Amino acid sequence: NAGVTQTPKFRVLKTGQSMTLLCAQDMNHEYMYWYRQDPGMGLRLIHYSVGEGTTAKGEVPDGYNVSRLKKQNFLLGLESAAPSQTSVYFCASADFSYEQYFGPGTRLTVT
Amino acid sequence: AQSVAQPEDQVNVAEGNPLTVKCTYSVSGNPYLFWYVQYPNRGLQFLLKYITGDNLVKGSYGFEAEFNKSQTSFHLKKPSALVSDSALYFCAVRDRPHSGGYLKVTFGIGTKLQVIP
Repeated sequence: NAGVTQTPKFRVLKTGQSMTLLCAQDMNHEYMYWYRQDPGMGLRLIHYSVGEGTTAKGEVPDGYNVSRLKKQNFLLGLESAAPSQTSVYFCASADFSYEQYFGPGTRLTVT
Repeated sequence: AQSVAQPEDQVNVAEGNPLTVKCTYSVSGNPYLFWYVQYPNRGLQFLLKYITGDNLVKGSYGFEAEFNKSQTSFHLKKPSALVSDSALYFCAVRDRPHSGGYLKVTFGIGTKLQVIP
């Protein structure tokens, strides 16, 4: 049982490049989330999903898109990366207890 | 709107001493409350939660938290700190569902706990 996995673990992008972060969970959870973590700002919710085929905006959705075509996967896309998107990105999943299980994170640097 | 405050950026405690990490919250109804821990270069791990019932909640690694409705607080405690408890601790809150629909979880900004040998 792997829990929540994230791919890749590290990435360096140039401004304007695009990329997709993949999150996968094997716990059959309905809810999935993407957060970013920045020093002094804690965790901020980017987008979330309450089930397969659904997505919704969180606190800081601008510059990001998401898709949840399969229940176990939640993809975060950056269409045109900016230095302000340099951050550590965490994916999480939860069942109806709202106890969230987090992935190990992706450290993204945009130069 | 719901919110969480962790008033201390850092808490230092000597190994073997009791520790407290503070959290206060604001929600429109009755809260679900959570504590998570983050070790360096790792994702957050669930420690404990309060949903209903006994105000003292016991969780992983010997941690416990006390729900105080009148003070809107949910402080994390441990009777005897270990050096291995040194980490970043996050409090989180969500409103209790009263009419269905999704309600998101709001996290605090985190408190760094340093246990000194």
